[in-house]
Amino acid sequence: ETGVTQTPRHLVMGMTNKKSLKCEQHLGHNAMYWYKQSAKKPLELMFVYNFKEQTENNSVPSRFSPECPNSSHLFLHLHTLQPEDSALYLCASSQGWTPINEKLFFGSGTQLSVL
Amino acid sequence: SQQGEEDPQALSIQEGENATMNCSYKTSINNLQWYRQNSGRGLVHLILIRSNEREKHSGRLRVTLDTSKKSSSLLITASRAADTASYFCATDARNAGGTSYGKLTFGQGTILTVHP
Repeated sequence: ETGVTQTPRHLVMGMTNKKSLKCEQHLGHNAMYWYKQSAKKPLELMFVYNFKEQTENNSVPSRFSPECPNSSHLFLHLHTLQPEDSALYLCASSQGWTPINEKLFFGSGTQLSVL
Repeated sequence: SQQGEEDPQALSIQEGENATMNCSYKTSINNLQWYRQNSGRGLVHLILIRSNEREKHSGRLRVTLDTSKKSSSLLITASRAADTASYFCATDARNAGGTSYGKLTFGQGTILTVHP
């Protein structure tokens, strides 16, 4: 185990549904991240939080809404998604917010299918 | 175009053989990291090599970095079936003035299959 837990592991939702992905890290890290991994595409950084404050929003559509109530928890609220949003969503954490000299610890991901 | 690109896209070898994967990047970097991902799981950090380092070892892993060629290689010696996974390089790019963009950019990865 990496110390980063994501739930649920799998999620199937319709385009009109609202759902949330949850991430919890038990490492005492200060920074948390959401990444999107689609088939045949590089990992895409979506959001970065440092000490609960959002420091990066990588031009993500508003149908994805992140929430970071504290340094240990991160949510991704999903609303009115499109089929092309189907992907593996990965949460990660690091000690510091700039991963220049930091390694990232990833959760196992949520495999999302949008019908 | 993406910062890090791995080569080959797929590699198939027999247990006991060595596996070499390459990563090329376009801009100057502060460091380069390698990650492994088992199918449908999260990524696991393997090695971080800084721009002023040329080689690092960790167990059966050996990473080299050639900043003049903007490339890195990951060598797995005496491979095992359990090494079957996708391997990604990730770079911390910086601008012409040397300032980091402050985020890792991942390549598309090399899929390694090790046959027992």
